Amino acid sequence: DAKTTQPPSMDCAEGRAANLPCNHSTISGNEYVYWYRQIHSQGPQYIIHGLKNNETNEMASLIITEDRKSSTLILPHATLRDTAVYYCIVRVKDFGNEKLTFGTGTRLTIIP
Amino acid sequence: DGGITQSPKYLFRKEGQNVTLSCEQNLNHDAMYWYRQDPGQGLRLIYYSQIVNDFQKGDIAEGYSVSREKKESFPLTVTSAQKNPTAFYLCASTRDPGRSYNSPLHFGNGTRLTVT
Repeated sequence: DAKTTQPPSMDCAEGRAANLPCNHSTISGNEYVYWYRQIHSQGPQYIIHGLKNNETNEMASLIITEDRKSSTLILPHATLRDTAVYYCIVRVKDFGNEKLTFGTGTRLTIIP
Repeated sequence: DGGITQSPKYLFRKEGQNVTLSCEQNLNHDAMYWYRQDPGQGLRLIYYSQIVNDFQKGDIAEGYSVSREKKESFPLTVTSAQKNPTAFYLCASTRDPGRSYNSPLHFGNGTRLTVT
């Protein structure tokens, strides 16, 4: 079963901030939220991850709500190269083993 | 540079033949994973391995087999029993599985398998 819910698609104007939401209402206390993106025919690229505090790196910012049931990935100044499918995942422990489940993601299109 | 290497990038096989996809990592990661991706869909987990000589089935393991004889290698065999083998196959790895979730998953660039 998918552990996260994301909108299937979003558009954003070039130069604007892209805000991608993710719901993870069943997240447990020790589970991190990870974001990846995938450009066509390539492997997914790691963007950022967090537990409960907001995080920022050179690519993006991650805002996690206080109850940790949802998060938002922010690309502060979107460029055409940010057009990709963005995946939000929660690392889940399954019978003592770690299994990572990806949903269908959000297809982000940056509009010139 | 450290990373994950998948080879070949494109692979063509006739129906009924087994085929093995290579995945090598020099990141010294403990855990390795195989995912399958079909057009317009997300990633589905085939098999994963957290230590050498041990692996577990993922959500769609039927028709596939793996081995983990070395820490850096996790080859995937697509057998003739796999009914729809044509897909994009992705290998990934991460360190410290189960002990800490504070470790990103690193992906290779995939192998596109076409079976006719």
